[in-house]
Amino acid sequence: GAGVSQSPSNKVTEKGKDVELRCDPISGHTALYWYRQSLGQGLEFLIYFQGNSAPDKSGLPSDRFSAERTGGSVSTLTIQRTQQEDSAVYLCASSKGGSQETQYFGPGTRLLVL
Amino acid sequence: GENVEQHPSTLSVQEGDSAVIKCTYSDSASNYFPWYKQELGKRPQLIIDIRSNVGEKKDQRIAVTLNKTAKHFSLHITETQPEDSAVYFCAATLTGGFKTIFGAGTRLFVKA
Repeated sequence: GAGVSQSPSNKVTEKGKDVELRCDPISGHTALYWYRQSLGQGLEFLIYFQGNSAPDKSGLPSDRFSAERTGGSVSTLTIQRTQQEDSAVYLCASSKGGSQETQYFGPGTRLLVL
Repeated sequence: GENVEQHPSTLSVQEGDSAVIKCTYSDSASNYFPWYKQELGKRPQLIIDIRSNVGEKKDQRIAVTLNKTAKHFSLHITETQPEDSAVYFCAATLTGGFKTIFGAGTRLFVKA
C-alpha cells in the first residue's frame, strides 16, 4: 500500500511569511507525528495526534507553530511569521493505534527561510 | 524533561568488524525503545526495537540490549558491511503515551 506522503517536498519562503506543510498518513493509522530535523541533527519531537484524543503539543518550539488533523487523517503543520532558524526538514510519521507501534516516516518537507 | 543521549556521534569501523552505539534515557517511565536507520537523503526506517520487559533482542546481525536499572540501551551490529553506513537513531517512548524522544544520532562509516 501507499506509504506516508508529504507535500511540498521543498519550500523556499521569505522571512515573515506563513507556510503550511501537509502530511498524508498511511490509511488506517490512527497516530500521527511531526518532527523537525535540522541539518546533521537528530529528530526533534514537535507534536503527535492519536485518534480523537487531544494532541500532545509539548514539543512545539513557539506559538508560531500549530498543527491540526482533520477527520483523523490528513495533518497540516503551519508555521507563522517564519524565521531563518525554522529552516529544516519537517518529517511526518504515522503508526497504528498502540504506543509501541512502528512509526513510518514520510519523505519530509525541506523548508528554507531566506 | 525527557532526554535521550546517544554516543558516539560518529563511528568508523572496518568492514567485518562490530559496531556498538549506546543510549541513555532520563525518564524511567519509558517502556519502548526503537532504533531507526537513516541513509543519506532518505527517511528514517525502523531496524529493531525492544520493550521494557525484555533484556535483549536479536535479528540476524543486529542486536539490542536494555538495562532498565541503568536506563541504558545499546545497538550492536556484527560483521558490518558497507551498506550499514548510515545515521542510526535511538529513541524512547513513554509508558502509556506516544511521545517519542530521539537521540542525536550516530553516523556510522563502514570502510571496505
